[in-house]
Amino acid sequence: AQKVTQAQTEISVVEKEDVTLDCVYETRDTTYYLFWYKQPPSGELVFLIRRNSFDEQNEISGRYSWNFQKSTSSFNFTITASQVVDSAVYFCALGHTTFSSGNTGKLIFGQGTTLQVKP
Amino acid sequence: ETGVTQTPRHLVMGMTNKKSLKCEQHLGHNAMYWYKQSAKKPLELMFVYSLEERVENNSVPSRFSPECPNSSHLFLHLHTLQPEDSALYLCASSQSRLAGAWYNEQFFGPGTRLTVL
Repeated sequence: AQKVTQAQTEISVVEKEDVTLDCVYETRDTTYYLFWYKQPPSGELVFLIRRNSFDEQNEISGRYSWNFQKSTSSFNFTITASQVVDSAVYFCALGHTTFSSGNTGKLIFGQGTTLQVKP
Repeated sequence: ETGVTQTPRHLVMGMTNKKSLKCEQHLGHNAMYWYKQSAKKPLELMFVYSLEERVENNSVPSRFSPECPNSSHLFLHLHTLQPEDSALYLCASSQSRLAGAWYNEQFFGPGTRLTVL
């Protein structure tokens, strides 16, 4: 079964603190993709990162970094020196391709983690 | 307009009404999706269209009827909804391929906040 678990429902930090959002996934596929999306109060999901199952290198983008560990089926997201603008709901998602009628991706989302960054 | 747009942004309807949600993507993508986001629930995929053909229907009740007249537009027709259908309905698009294990990220619209009375 395909499943994504974000065990942290809500996290509250003070500005400039580092914070890590956990994501654990389950899949039987050997080829799959992992994503993080941010959903600010406006509602629109904003794409942050995509990682495929063959690339376990960690990635850093500014204050954001991602740690992909295949051995533990985890894809954690760390925000360094958090800011108030980082306050949002963050979703981890697992994508696998369907091969019927084209290669459209199906995303399975976790429950989301609400991050509140206080000034 | 850029990205993925959705109209209306807010909709209140009675259980006997018929309404439609509209989604338009300006990204040149060929796959479009409808998701439902309820309070305290993960996003649920409802429908997937690839090259204007429906390729996935995730056990959605027939009171929700999608339509994809071309690769840029996606509609969700609503009729005789229930109060539990109140949710944020999100549209997304992506570029799909016809072969190969290749996957592109989905781009989302701002959503339509639907309230069924």
